[in-house]
Amino acid sequence: DVKVTQSSRYLVKRTGEKVFLECVQDMDHENMFWYRQDPGLGLRLIYFSYDVKMKEKGDIPEGYSVSREKKERFSLILESASTNQTSMYLCASSLTARNNEQFFGPGTRLTVL
Amino acid sequence: AQSVTQLDSQVPVFEEAPVELRCNYSSSVSVYLFWYVQYPNQGLQLLLKYLSGSTLVESINGFEAEFNKSQTSFHLRKPSVHISDTAEYFCAVSDQSGGSYIPTFGRGTSLIVHP
Repeated sequence: DVKVTQSSRYLVKRTGEKVFLECVQDMDHENMFWYRQDPGLGLRLIYFSYDVKMKEKGDIPEGYSVSREKKERFSLILESASTNQTSMYLCASSLTARNNEQFFGPGTRLTVL
Repeated sequence: AQSVTQLDSQVPVFEEAPVELRCNYSSSVSVYLFWYVQYPNQGLQLLLKYLSGSTLVESINGFEAEFNKSQTSFHLRKPSVHISDTAEYFCAVSDQSGGSYIPTFGRGTSLIVHP
């Protein structure tokens, strides 16, 4: 079974703090993704990566950055957290670009006070 | 750009009743279609997918979806729902827009099964 793990299920941070969300997959997948999920808005893509050290902006990259130094790990960074970044963050991975069935982690619920 | 419309944000039904969750998409090119399910406090998991071949696809827990190219739809159905089917359901579509296969997700439909 593919397993995607996220470093925290719940996180509370203060405005202006730097926040790191970590995601690890154990099935040698090429592609990794970060989404945020908000009620009524579904999933919105923040960043994705096709390979190590490669990253592409998604639909809502503002206020976020990412890092992929190893194939299995994809980190989402909030340089200076703001209250409007309070959300559920979901990491996903997929084997290839074409047959891109995605495998999701359990999510991190981030609250920024 | 691809867009995915899930026409109902919430669908309440009684247990053992049939249900249909609707999904329409905008692309007219070759597409891959997915339904994901999200149980409370969990991540999404794949329910079923259409890549090619038979337009009717089934999941192991009794759901099915039919790819209708002319209507650009991929509606999800189940003839008799259980309480345990209560969850959020997301339709996702990917095509070759811009040379990538990044899926676009709908906004989700909350299925609420009442006893």
